[in-house]
Amino acid sequence: KAGVTQTPRYLIKTRGQQVTLSCSPISGHRSVSWYQQTPGQGLQFLFEYFSETQRNKGNFPGRFSGRQFSNSRSEMNVSTLELGDSALYLCASRTTGGETQYFGPGTRLLVL
Amino acid sequence: AQSVTQLGSHVSVSEGALVLLRCNYSSSVPPYLFWYVQYPNQGLQLLLKYTSAATLVKGINGFEAEFKKSETSFHLTKPSAHMSDAAEYFCAVSDRGGADGLTFGKGTHLIIQP
Repeated sequence: KAGVTQTPRYLIKTRGQQVTLSCSPISGHRSVSWYQQTPGQGLQFLFEYFSETQRNKGNFPGRFSGRQFSNSRSEMNVSTLELGDSALYLCASRTTGGETQYFGPGTRLLVL
Repeated sequence: AQSVTQLGSHVSVSEGALVLLRCNYSSSVPPYLFWYVQYPNQGLQLLLKYTSAATLVKGINGFEAEFKKSETSFHLTKPSAHMSDAAEYFCAVSDRGGADGLTFGKGTHLIIQP
């Protein structure tokens, strides 16, 4: 079974732009979560989607948003990029009711 | 609210020596606990998890961890370190529902000396 895939793997943007990241979960997994990883703040939970609905959201500004499609694929959008948004963005999926999150390889975003 | 503390941002051991990475957690509800490993430029790979079955949990690559409720600890061990174990290790906690996501420790960089 294929793992979690994320596209693109690397991205360079400039301040003020917006960016969309994509995540395809493991087949059969309906829950998708997003995390931000930075050297200073470590790994932080952004939000989780299940059946196209956001179930919970971490402590991030409204510039960070997401959505999930009927095939469970998810996208994350960051508007008005700031230098501090430079990070590795990780997507994880899990089964309905499952406790284990399986992570993708991440998208490394650099904001200049 | 949940939190995770990993003691030691860097741990160095000799090849063949015991690996011990420390993790203490705080949770208001019975937790699920996880150890993940991250190699450079990669995502997180699950090493092992505790979900209230056996308190001694065995994972991949010879790692194991013991859940000690009285000490609120979930330390990761491996009897004999291998060069390929060099990586970043993260301890994480979630509540039983998991909807609040995983709360991670800051990570421990494991260095293996030849």
